[in-house]
Amino acid sequence: TQLLEQSPQFLSIQEGENLTVYCNSSSVFSSLQWYRQEPGEGPVLLVTVVTGGEVKKLKRLTFQFGDARKDSSLHITAAQPGDTGLYLCAPSNFGNEKLTFGTGTRLTIIP
Amino acid sequence: SQTIHQWPATLVQPVGSPLSLECTVEGTSNPNLYWYRQAAGRGLQLLFYSVGIGQISSEVPQNLSASRPQDRQFILSSKKLLLSDSGFYLCAWRTGGSHSPLHFGNGTRLTVT
Repeated sequence: TQLLEQSPQFLSIQEGENLTVYCNSSSVFSSLQWYRQEPGEGPVLLVTVVTGGEVKKLKRLTFQFGDARKDSSLHITAAQPGDTGLYLCAPSNFGNEKLTFGTGTRLTIIP
Repeated sequence: SQTIHQWPATLVQPVGSPLSLECTVEGTSNPNLYWYRQAAGRGLQLLFYSVGIGQISSEVPQNLSASRPQDRQFILSSKKLLLSDSGFYLCAWRTGGSHSPLHFGNGTRLTVT
């Protein structure tokens, strides 16, 4: 069973600040997805990263896949209250339809 | 367009009672189907997944079971609920392939009393 750690577990910062959260494993993955979940709802896909070293931007969110495809980071610039939620990473591998999630980072942006 | 329906939205059941949660997907064929459970304030735990009718993979030993009687129907069941079964249950689907995203239902909040 692959162990996927996300850090920090909790993060509370002021609106306008920058932050980075991490998703780390000792295993290599074919791709990795980031999701955001709001209370009482299901997670929603933010991005899929596929290539080692890949960087993808989604407005103020920047996602990076590690060169060795074992880890990933999410950087948020000028955080806003709407960024509040649980951020989850989910790795996957070719030929394996099982999809598990990391431990999650619960982010709170204080207005 | 594809949609996923999950019901009921909330459920309060006594310990020892049976459980049946249903999930259906519309607008796609032969999806992969998943059941996850989320304890309060925690991440998602994969319970079961299915790549086809009658094909169920179980991830966690427990008193829950899953069935897929039709291509786009996924059912989560229990014969006797435990207090520890309380949580937020999420059904999800995706097409095959490692890059395809999961699409989640709105979840069922189960409280076992």
